[in-house]
Amino acid sequence: DIQMTQSPSFLSASVGERVTLSCKASQNINKYLDWYQQKLGEAPKLLIYNTNNLHTGIPSRFSGSGSGTDYTLTISSLQPEDVATYFCLQRNSWPTFGSGTKLEIK
Amino acid sequence: QVTLKESGPGILQPSQTLSLTCTFSGFSLSTYGMGVGWIRQPSGKGLEWLANIWWDDDKYYNPSLKNRLTISKDTSNNQAFLKITNVDTADTATYYCARIAAEQLGDYWGQGVMVTVSS
Repeated sequence: DIQMTQSPSFLSASVGERVTLSCKASQNINKYLDWYQQKLGEAPKLLIYNTNNLHTGIPSRFSGSGSGTDYTLTISSLQPEDVATYFCLQRNSWPTFGSGTKLEIK
Repeated sequence: QVTLKESGPGILQPSQTLSLTCTFSGFSLSTYGMGVGWIRQPSGKGLEWLANIWWDDDKYYNPSLKNRLTISKDTSNNQAFLKITNVDTADTATYYCARIAAEQLGDYWGQGVMVTVSS
């Protein structure tokens, strides 16, 4: 199993602030890394696939980067509707999720 | 417009078999490259990918649960199914199905169905 470690587990930031979430794999995942957003009581929603490809309809303030074992999700200007838990998912082998970063507004 | 909806028994007893149905629209499981996956999430916890089925009937399972899982599909009725045998309380979770299309493993998800295993 490839283990995915997300940090921080909790983040509080101000509206308009630039926010960076991290995801580290236990081995090289060859950029097969996706990011999901899950709002309270809802299903996860795909934001980014293959490290840096924005899914249809996702605002351009979301972006992804990384390679090897280290990946990041960046929100360029945090909006109130971005309050959610964010999960990374590797699919280089059997898909495994990180434990999530809960993002709140300060 | 792609939609998926899960259905299940709600509650079942330990050692029983859990049967879940995913009914979808807006795509076909007979189309090249399409698939459906099942994922679960215990309340307040993280996500676990369980199984995938593809347009060509290829099936893949979570290695840690493989012996207990069976995934299948009914292409003509736009449905996918998951069975989990010998359930226990650790299988209590919200179960989701999601579309798999090309390089997007879960581009659309259902709303989820809650399943409780309790005696």
